[in-house]
Amino acid sequence: DAKTTQPPSMDCAEGRAANLPCNHSTISGNEYVYWYRQIHSQGPQYIIHGLKNNETNEMASLIITEDRKSSTLILPHATLRDTAVYYCIVRGTDSWGKLQFGSGTQVVVTP
Amino acid sequence: GAGVSQSPSNKVTEKGKDVELRCDPISGHTALYWYRQSLGQGLEFLIYFQGNSAPDKSGLPSDRFSAERTGGSVSTLTIQRTQQEDSAVYLCASSYGTGWQPQHFGDGTRLSIL
Repeated sequence: DAKTTQPPSMDCAEGRAANLPCNHSTISGNEYVYWYRQIHSQGPQYIIHGLKNNETNEMASLIITEDRKSSTLILPHATLRDTAVYYCIVRGTDSWGKLQFGSGTQVVVTP
Repeated sequence: GAGVSQSPSNKVTEKGKDVELRCDPISGHTALYWYRQSLGQGLEFLIYFQGNSAPDKSGLPSDRFSAERTGGSVSTLTIQRTQQEDSAVYLCASSYGTGWQPQHFGDGTRLSIL
């Protein structure tokens, strides 16, 4: 059973912020939200993760709603190299050993 | 720093042959994971190791698939009597532990069975 729901695709203009939504309405208290991306012909790349609080690193920001049922990954200034499939994954103590990848969102950044 | 290294990057073999895929995790990472990604499909979990032990082998598709890890470092995934449906990209990841720590992936081995 999918734990997350993401739009299948979205476009973003180069230089603009990309806001990628993810729904995880059945998330439990001990489950984290992770974001990965996969650029064509490469392995998945870890971006960011969070539990309750918003998080920011050099790649992106993660905004988690107060009820934790949804989150948004923000790429502040999208570049052409950000074109990839983005995966939102929920993971907790019952599945520490594996990541369950869904279909993700295909993001295309256009000039 | 060095990331997860997988070899070979590409492997072409004939149906029925055995193949070995190798994964070198990031230094100091105690957990190691194998996944595969078939053409146009999502990533599928195969097995993971904590140290040299494999607590979860539930994703291995059949008894033709096996994996081992020695010295808490390098891991090999072996596929015996390969079939055409084994064609996929085999990805390895590692992490500091099996808790919340994120997994970091290599670029995979692209396996093609003729």
